[in-house]
Amino acid sequence: ETGVTQTPRHLVMGMTNKKSLKCEQHLGHNAMYWYKQSAKKPLELMFVYNFKEQTENNSVPSRFSPECPNSSHLFLHLHTLQPEDSALYLCASSQADRGGTGELFFGEGSRLTVL
Amino acid sequence: AQSVTQLDSQVPVFEEAPVELRCNYSSSVSVYLFWYVQYPNQGLQLLLKYLSGSTLVKGINGFEAEFNKSQTSFHLRKPSVHISDTAEYFCAVTPNNAGNMLTFGGGTRLMVKP
Repeated sequence: ETGVTQTPRHLVMGMTNKKSLKCEQHLGHNAMYWYKQSAKKPLELMFVYNFKEQTENNSVPSRFSPECPNSSHLFLHLHTLQPEDSALYLCASSQADRGGTGELFFGEGSRLTVL
Repeated sequence: AQSVTQLDSQVPVFEEAPVELRCNYSSSVSVYLFWYVQYPNQGLQLLLKYLSGSTLVKGINGFEAEFNKSQTSFHLRKPSVHISDTAEYFCAVTPNNAGNMLTFGGGTRLMVKP
């Protein structure tokens, strides 16, 4: 079992659907992240939560809505997505968002396809 | 702001040959530097990092990287690659006062051929 678990691993949705991605970390970390990985583009940081508080929103469209109920769980709620939102969404965790040494622990990702 | 350029999108190499994956960065402040590896259908895993001290850092699986401040580079090397090293490799930087707020390069796909 990996330290960071993401579900579902694959998701296909229509543009009018509402779905959620889930991430759970078992490492005792305080910070959690959502990254978007698209083909031929660098990883894009979407959101950062530190001690359940959002500390970074990297100009992400409002059709992506994060939720962090506690330090171990992170959700990404999806609504009215566009085909260009199809990508691999990676969750990561670390001891803290700042003052740390850059070691992020990643989940295996959720592959999203928007039809 | 920081930026990272990985000069090669793909690097084909034969098994047991040496390899170098190139990474250049730009930043107006001091940075920490990282290499992450992503095997097929998996998330990213830290390979090695430079925080301070010796400019030559060693990581897992026989990889090493050298920080060159004057050339703003952090190239990754391995003297002899294996088939199992086939993966995507990402260089990343963060300001040394911003800890884990990483900026990633576009990635280099290492393809090791028998």
